[in-house]
Amino acid sequence: QQQVKQSPQSLIVQKGGIPIINCAYENTAFDYFPWYQQFPGKGPALLIAIRPDVSEKKEGRFTISFNKSAKQFSLHIMDSQPGDSATYFCAASLCEGNQFYFGTGTSLTVIP
Amino acid sequence: DSGVTQTPKHLITATGQRVTLRCSPRSGDLSVYWYQQSLDQGLQFLIQYYNGEERAKGNILERFSAQQFPDLHSELNLSSLELGDSALYFCASSVAGYTQYFGPGTRLTVL
Repeated sequence: QQQVKQSPQSLIVQKGGIPIINCAYENTAFDYFPWYQQFPGKGPALLIAIRPDVSEKKEGRFTISFNKSAKQFSLHIMDSQPGDSATYFCAASLCEGNQFYFGTGTSLTVIP
Repeated sequence: DSGVTQTPKHLITATGQRVTLRCSPRSGDLSVYWYQQSLDQGLQFLIQYYNGEERAKGNILERFSAQQFPDLHSELNLSSLELGDSALYFCASSVAGYTQYFGPGTRLTVL
């Protein structure tokens, strides 16, 4: 049973576009929601994360929107660049030091 | 560079064999997590160690085992390997809080 559902599976946007990746969860006990970026041949790297007491968080061109009542959160990439082409994973955790439950990943391609 | 190291980078072996994957966490990190990444399953949590003790178990097969040594490095042992065990194996480490730092992974191919 997938604890965190992620969509779309793949996404192609033009340079400068705003790709949006969505995730949904069922377990209301989750209290930490990170996004990881993974390039081919590399390990996932933390991009940005949010706690459920906040509805939005921005770090540079990356924004997380969080809707606690809908149990959904999404990643927006502003002014996307070809260098953003990677696989993005959302995840959720129950508490500090706990395992991550990952979404299935979204392969993003930004066309120059 | 996350500061987490994993060896070997690639491993090719035959069905029925046993292999050991090694992970060195970031300096000072007490927790080590192991994840398996396959094309059809995504990233799946296997097991977590904290300061030498097993902390949590996920979808880890009985043929797999792990340990964390006094110097905090960890090893994941995979035995009686099957074709379906072919995957990327990542370890991650954390000192406290939520953030996990992932290593570059070991790609295991079982022929």
